[in-house]
Amino acid sequence: QSVLTQPPSASGTPGQRVTISCSGSSSNIGSNTASWYQQLPGTAPKLLIYTNNQRPSGVPDRFSGSKSGTSASLAISGLQSEDEADYYCAAWDDSLSGWVFGGGTKLTVL
Amino acid sequence: EVQLVQSGAEVKKPGESLKISCKGFGYTFTYYWIGWVRQMPGKGLEWMGIINPADSDTRYSPSFQGQVTLSVDKSISTAYLQWSGLKASDTAMYYCAGHQYSSGSRWFDPWGQGTLVTVSS
Repeated sequence: QSVLTQPPSASGTPGQRVTISCSGSSSNIGSNTASWYQQLPGTAPKLLIYTNNQRPSGVPDRFSGSKSGTSASLAISGLQSEDEADYYCAAWDDSLSGWVFGGGTKLTVL
Repeated sequence: EVQLVQSGAEVKKPGESLKISCKGFGYTFTYYWIGWVRQMPGKGLEWMGIINPADSDTRYSPSFQGQVTLSVDKSISTAYLQWSGLKASDTAMYYCAGHQYSSGSRWFDPWGQGTLVTVSS
């Protein structure tokens, strides 16, 4: 059971907008920033969003992040087939003095 | 280009020891901590620990404390993850990642390509 809760799956058709939620608590997302990682099939995770809503250079602006209270969200607009991947949220947890990850959301592009 | 390059896949027997590596290129290795993350077959990401290459200060996840050892050799820009007695349940992909910290915000970037460890008799 992961400390951060994500839906196990999400789906959309090309061009649609999908949102993936990440629910935490006051000791992690509530008091620290969230980051998101994309893991394409058979590859290493890659940073997608950091500091709740910042995109590293090279990440398309179709990807956006937000945070409210103890939850974070990742939105993908203009869905493309190459977005089919697993997505993970993560945050530092002050109570654990360590990192916690969400269980991951498998995004399917129909 | 800033990157972390990990050692190759390993096949070991239960009870054997193992040390895998993660070498930094394109930046000053002591600039940020290195984290390790486990991914068991078909499962999600689990944080194992982080180590500061500058002074070897280490923080372990309670789930991995006493099960693995993190170390670094900053003279060759390399971090290590070590087991002294492998179990079949250690079979997994292991990733190292740069642990960035700025103005109270933390994130992992870049990531190594992963090292697959298979433990089987």
